[in-house]
This record gives sequence, C-alpha cells and structure tokens, in this order.
Amino acid sequence: DAGVTQSPTHLIKTRGQHVTLRCSPISGHKSVSWYQQVLGQGPQFIFQYYEKEERGRGNFPDRFSARQFPNYSSELNVNALLLGDSALYLCASSLEPPGGAGNEQFFGPGTRLTVL
Amino acid sequence: SQKIEQNSEALNIQEGKTATLTCNYTNYSPAYLQWYRQDPGRGPVFLLLIRENEKEKRKERLKVTFDTTLKQSLFHITASQPADSATYLCLSGSARQLTFGSGTQLTVLP
Repeated sequence: DAGVTQSPTHLIKTRGQHVTLRCSPISGHKSVSWYQQVLGQGPQFIFQYYEKEERGRGNFPDRFSARQFPNYSSELNVNALLLGDSALYLCASSLEPPGGAGNEQFFGPGTRLTVL
Repeated sequence: SQKIEQNSEALNIQEGKTATLTCNYTNYSPAYLQWYRQDPGRGPVFLLLIRENEKEKRKERLKVTFDTTLKQSLFHITASQPADSATYLCLSGSARQLTFGSGTQLTVLP
C-alpha cells in the first residue's frame, strides 16, 4: 500500500504570492493533519481535519487555510507569502483524529517551500 | 500556552550503551505523549505511545515512561546501534492540540 503522498516535493515562490500544497492520506485514513517544520526545529501543528471538518488549529495566522475533500485528501493554502514561511510542510494521516486518543500518525515526505 | 521541551539538542553515546532522552511539559496535562524518529529529509516515524494513566511502555529495545508528577517523559534506547542515529521528537496531544518538542539529535558512535 502507498504511504502518505504530498505534492509538490519542492516549490519556490516569491513574497506576496499564494501557494497550494496537496496531501493524499493512506487508504482508509480519514484524518489529516498539517505541520510546518523550520530547519532545526520540531514540527509546528497547523491544522487537523477529520471527515472534512476542522478538528484543531494551531497558532498560525489567517493567511493559512486548509480543507479536506470527500476522498479525504487535503490541501493547505498559504496567502501573501512571507520569507518566514519558508519551511518543510508535513502532512500526516491517521485512521481517526490523533487528538484525544493518541492515534498513530503516518507522515508524508513533506513539501519543501522556499520563499524568496 | 502549551509548551513542551526536549532538554538536549544533541546527544552522543557509544554503541551498546543506553540512550536516555527527556521531554518536559508545562502549563497543561497532555492526554498522552508520543515519540517519533526523524531522519534527514524525511517525515517523522511513529515509535511509541504512552497515555497519562500509564507509567511505562516497552517495544523491543525501546522504553518510554510518563511521570505526571514531574511532568516528564523519558525515552530509552537500550543496546544502542549506529543505525539508531537520528532526531527523536516527542509529541503531546489533547483533543484539539498537537505539540511537538524541538527534538534531540542522537548520534551513536561505533
């Protein structure tokens, strides 16, 4: 079975532009979470979705938004890009929301976003 | 706000020794803690889960403890091998928040 896939693998944008990152969860997984990882730091939680509904949100500005589709794939959108948005964006899927029960998350390889 | 800290940025140990990594949390009581391994250029990989009502969990050479009084989790790798060299991350979870520590880079020297 395929693991979590993310596209694109690398992306270069300029300040002020908009970006859309995509994630396909493991087949059968209904929950997707997004994380931002800056070099040398741990991943920072951005969003959690389950059954197409937002179940959790981290401390990120409204420039960040996401959605989950009926096939459980997900998109992360970032508007008005800043230099500080340069990071590895990770997507993780799980059978159910990882929140209260501690369900194991399976991570994709990430999308490396560079903002110039 | 929820805060989770991993005490060491880097840890070097000799092959065969036990590596002990620490994760401390403040200002909240997580429902569980998880430990992940991350290799360069890859996403984290789940290793172990321990819930707030559990003291200790084991899996092969791995052991994790959860001390709610000290607000601390310890992660042990016994009989360490060079292949264990990686960054290890702890994650605390509650219903709507997931918080990773900054990670500890472990190097096992042959």
